[in-house]
Amino acid sequence: EVQLVQSGAEVKKPGESLKISCKGSGYSFTSYWIGWVRQMPGKGLEWMGIIYPGDSDTRYSPSFQGQVTISADKSISTAYLQWSSLKASDTAMYYCARLDDFWSGFIYWGQGTLVTVSS
Amino acid sequence: EIVLTQSPGTLSLSPGERATLSCRASQSVSSSYLAWYQQKPGQAPRLLIYGASSRATGIPDRFSGSGSGTDFTLTISRLEPEDFAVYYCQQYGSSQFTFGPGTKVDIK
Repeated sequence: EVQLVQSGAEVKKPGESLKISCKGSGYSFTSYWIGWVRQMPGKGLEWMGIIYPGDSDTRYSPSFQGQVTISADKSISTAYLQWSSLKASDTAMYYCARLDDFWSGFIYWGQGTLVTVSS
Repeated sequence: EIVLTQSPGTLSLSPGERATLSCRASQSVSSSYLAWYQQKPGQAPRLLIYGASSRATGIPDRFSGSGSGTDFTLTISRLEPEDFAVYYCQQYGSSQFTFGPGTKVDIK
């Protein structure tokens, strides 16, 4: 069974750094793209970027380029989303999702990680 | 960047009625790269349709997708109580994904 299990909720202060994770299981982690999607409170879905764990090829949405870093450690089948300096506007639910092919849509989703940034 | 617009913003219908949701792109989208998702409160999105018209595994046949170019449609033939949710379209092109703003289908 394919599963994406995300790390738990985080509460941080503005200016702090953060790295959240998404662990894949039940499939060959290096063979499928993993994407990250933001959902701000009460708002819609925003695509942030994707990574191919097999070779770490990474692509970002222009809206998030330079604001976050996406990485992966294929030895432990885990993808990451990190911030070097959080802002209150980063408060959101963050989902990871597996992309089988660019035409297939995001089939498998993690449960989401809620990040709250507040002073 | 391709911008997706969804209409209406909210659709108020009764169980058993037909729902027609629209997704319009700012420029032509390959039909192969147009998908639809359903999201219920407190849950992750669920893929319904990919390639504009192919149902994802396990999706009931009351859900259907159609369209090409810049205009796409998600149709729910007869609304079941569990179908009241928010629906998003999503496209891929030029190494970028974008989501539409969503259509909320609520109970009239």
